[in-house]
Formats: sequence, C-alpha cells, structure tokens
Amino acid sequence: GEDVEQSLFLSVREGDSSVINCTYTDSSSTYLYWYKQEPGAGLQLLTYIFSNMDMKQDQRLTVLLNKKDKHLSLRIADTQTGDSAIYFCAERDGQNFVFGPGTRLSVLP
Amino acid sequence: DAGVTQSPTHLIKTRGQQVTLRCSPKSGHDTVSWYQQALGQGPQFIFQYYEEEERQRGNFPDRFSGHQYPNYSSELNVNALLLGDSALYLCASSLRTGSRETQYFGPGTRLLVL
Repeated sequence: GEDVEQSLFLSVREGDSSVINCTYTDSSSTYLYWYKQEPGAGLQLLTYIFSNMDMKQDQRLTVLLNKKDKHLSLRIADTQTGDSAIYFCAERDGQNFVFGPGTRLSVLP
Repeated sequence: DAGVTQSPTHLIKTRGQQVTLRCSPKSGHDTVSWYQQALGQGPQFIFQYYEEEERQRGNFPDRFSGHQYPNYSSELNVNALLLGDSALYLCASSLRTGSRETQYFGPGTRLLVL
C-alpha cells in the first residue's frame, strides 16, 4: 500500500530557514499536500502542489517536488516561533489522503 | 463562512461503551471523511461518506460505522470501545467533483477510553 515517510524532528533558530522532507510511494498521486498541526488543534492546510509541477511558492513557503525520486520538501523562510508545530506531508489515494507521521518543528529563540 | 465543526471537543468513556461523534462540513462541501490520529502519529483514514453512503473505507473493524445526513453532516459511531480507541478523531470535508479536491479539517474530538 501507499506509504509516506518523514523525519520526526527538526530544530532551527528563529530567522533561519527550515526544510522539512517527505518521501512517498504512490507515483500516481496527482496532488501532494502539506498540513500544519498546532498543539491540541486540527490540521490546517498550508499548501499543495500538482504532480506536474516542480516548485510552488506561497509567501514564506516553498514546495519542491522531485517526482522521479518521489521526494517532496517544504521550505519555510525566516522561521518564526509561531511556526513551531507538527508538519504533515500527505498524498491522495483515490478519495482519501495518506499522511506521513509528521515532523515536529521546534523554533529556538 | 463556518469551517468544519465537530462535537464534542472531548469525551471520556469506559471500555465496552459506545460513542457517537458528530461533524458538520464546510459550507458548500458534500463529502466527509473521518480519520483517527493516535498520539504521536499521523491521521489514519477510517472511511468517507458521499451522498449518504460509505464510499471508501480504511483498515478499521466493523465496530467503526458512520452515517451521513441529507444536509451532509456526518456521524462516526464506535461500538465496544477498547483502550486502543483513545485518539483524536478528525473529520475532513471536501467537494467531490473536480480533481483539485482539497480536504479541510475540523478541530477534532479527543476521545479517552478508560
């Protein structure tokens, strides 16, 4: 079945860039997504990328997709303390989403 | 425009009991999906409802069942609760038509089974 993998932890200093990586298995995925989850809250859609794109930029967020290697990354520029959260990569499998285990981003002052 | 809402926010039950969780989708959405998120893990797909029918199901036992009403709201029922059912239950809504379907999540219901 489909599987999505992520590194579990990332620490960065405030003002630095953060890069969160993800690998997926389903080459037929048409869209790939990044969600953010703050403590005690649901998932907030950050951005998504269509599989025929290599890059998508949205303000401080840049998504890079390497379809050959099935590798997706999320870069957060000028990381702030408010960016501390768990970030989930997800791929579509038919009508449902398959999520990775999440990367916990800690932003140090 | 209200987003996805869920009730209750928290719930405590004992083993063997039954529970019903509720979800109202985002305005204009017709599809509701349910996910279970255990502590420290990503959400796991339970099932999806569209046109009042279960359309797709993940790897969950029959103790997990659901319903969708004509107004698109949905319920998740879990029978014979086990300790391992303790988790955050997330509802997500979407519009089924179109390939750019994006799911929007509610805040979740945190269920604790003692």
